Amino acid sequence: QQPVQSPQAVILREGEDAVINCSSSKALYSVHWYRQKHGEAPVFLMILLKGGEQKGHDKISASFNEKKQQSSLYLTASQLSYSGTYFCGTDLLGGYQKVTFGTGTKLQVIP
Amino acid sequence: KAGVTQTPRYLIKTRGQQVTLSCSPISGHRSVSWYQQTPGQGLQFLFEYFSETQRNKGNFPGRFSGRQFSNSRSEMNVSTLELGDSALYLCASTVGQGGYNEQFFGPGTRLTVL
Repeated sequence: QQPVQSPQAVILREGEDAVINCSSSKALYSVHWYRQKHGEAPVFLMILLKGGEQKGHDKISASFNEKKQQSSLYLTASQLSYSGTYFCGTDLLGGYQKVTFGTGTKLQVIP
Repeated sequence: KAGVTQTPRYLIKTRGQQVTLSCSPISGHRSVSWYQQTPGQGLQFLFEYFSETQRNKGNFPGRFSGRQFSNSRSEMNVSTLELGDSALYLCASTVGQGGYNEQFFGPGTRLTVL
């Protein structure tokens, strides 16, 4: 089942902060975050695991609320290079590689 | 280290034809996943292969199939193409040990069905 992302789109000025949310109706093993720039392949940002472990980007932070099956990605002091579409992916199985992605949040940072 | 490569990068086919897409993972990666990306639908999981075995499958019709070879290279086949199959097809590779690994995506194959 596809996770739900919000907002669908956001425009920020450089230096502003943003939060992107991802929620699932099912219990999660892990949440994955990727960013895709126009015309490019998605690039890994972060994985948050059940139990609190995190792997990924040191300039972007995220949280994972296991009880609510929700994750949030925090983009602080945004830069022009943050522009792109952010996808969250959820993994229900653990131990396997099946990540179901949401429809994405389009983020545009303007000067 | 070379990244994930996909061939061809662009493909134009007509309805009813079939197509085969190829993906070469990063050296040492044994898991390959395939995704279909269309505007508004995001990345939709097709299937995942690990050591030549399909471990997971998404909700796509049987016209979509795949396989993986002993060198971890993977192919995806779509038979009896429909207009709605027009999309960017991405493959991604991981080390494959557990459901908590970073996926490395290839540049994709843009398929247009006329």
